Formats: sequence, C-alpha cells, structure tokens
Amino acid sequence: QKEVEQDPGPLSVPEGAIVSLNCTYSNSAFQYFMWYRQYSRKGPELLMYTYSSGNKEDGRFTAQVDKSSKYISLFIRDSQPSDSATYLCAMDAGNMLTFGGGTRLMVKP
Amino acid sequence: DTGVSQDPRHKITKRGQNVTFRCDPISEHNRLYWYRQTLGQGPEFLTYFQNEAQLEKSRLLSDRFSAERPKGSFSTLEIQRTEQGDSAMYLCASSQTSGGKGDEQFFGPGTRLTVL
Repeated sequence: QKEVEQDPGPLSVPEGAIVSLNCTYSNSAFQYFMWYRQYSRKGPELLMYTYSSGNKEDGRFTAQVDKSSKYISLFIRDSQPSDSATYLCAMDAGNMLTFGGGTRLMVKP
Repeated sequence: DTGVSQDPRHKITKRGQNVTFRCDPISEHNRLYWYRQTLGQGPEFLTYFQNEAQLEKSRLLSDRFSAERPKGSFSTLEIQRTEQGDSAMYLCASSQTSGGKGDEQFFGPGTRLTVL
C-alpha cells in the first residue's frame, strides 16, 4: 500500500463547477501538506502549503486538512479551462516530499 | 527569471551511455532536491543537499547514480551506464529551511531523459 493515495481520474467538469480533489495518507509523521499543479511535460507548481488541520484559502483555491482522518482536500471554485492539469498532493515529514500519483482534471468550456 | 532552472530540458541517449544533468536553484535557497517522475506517477524522492552536504539518499538511487553540489550552489546528477528503465523526467527543487518547519519546495521544469 502506498503512503499517499490519490484517485488518478481523469475528472471532467464543466467550466464554472466546483472541483474537489482528495488524498489519503497512512504516515502519521506527515506534518506539512502541499498541493501542486502540473501541466503536461512541465515541472510541478506549488499552489497551496498548509501545516495544521483546518482550511486555508487563496483566491479560488481552498486547502483542507483533517489529520485525525489522514485526509486532505483541495477545492477549486469557478473552475476554468486553464485549470486543466494534473494536481498532485504532497506531504512532508521534515525532509523530502512524498507525493500522491496525481489526479488529472479536465475543465470543459 | 529567478526560479529553479535545469539543463538540458531534453536528453536522448543510447543504453550504456553516461549522462549528466544540471540544476541551478533559487539563489538564496540552501536546500536542493532531486526527484524522478515516470509517466502517470507522482515524483519520487532521490536525494537532497543542505548547502554542499548530501544528507539523504533514497534506495531508488542505485550505484549508477551520483549527485554533487559543490560549493552549495548548483547541483549535478550523473547517471552512468544508462538503462531503458532510467527513462523519466528528472526534477530538481529547492527550498530555504525555516527553523524546523517544513519547507516549501519550488520545482524546476525538469529534464526529460529518453534511453534508447
């Protein structure tokens, strides 16, 4: 079993929809949680960085962490075709990141 | 552009050849990481440096792989006697440690390696 599980998708939604992306993890040592966006054949781009349980909002993006359930989410409001990409969750116990496999999102006009 | 840069962006080589990749981190960052990403998967950690010291290596980093970061600035990743299984995107990231807190790692564009 992988330390970080993420549904690979693809997830297809119409423009303007609210998107929910999720990851579960098994390692209680993970303390820091990140979401990256990766366009095809590009490097990952950091979207959100959270430490504690709860919500963090940045523009159209909201990251949610529930350490008791070992579950994290990323919500995208008013999704746009430019949001079409692979979204990677990543977790940090202090040194290197452990990534989920990524969820491919397609936002259709 | 003050982000992480990697060179080359693409490398095609024949099995058995040696290849070397370069990463230039964000200038004030003291940590530098190497990851490998295969198609449809998330990046996997290979190794990281704090300044010039290599502090951790994954078991994925076989004896054919070596990384250096002389003077704590740019880093190189060398793969000797390449195999077809080495074909992947090699990603570099950098961060600035913040007193025991987790680091925000910023990634470069990657070097895509194809071994024929």
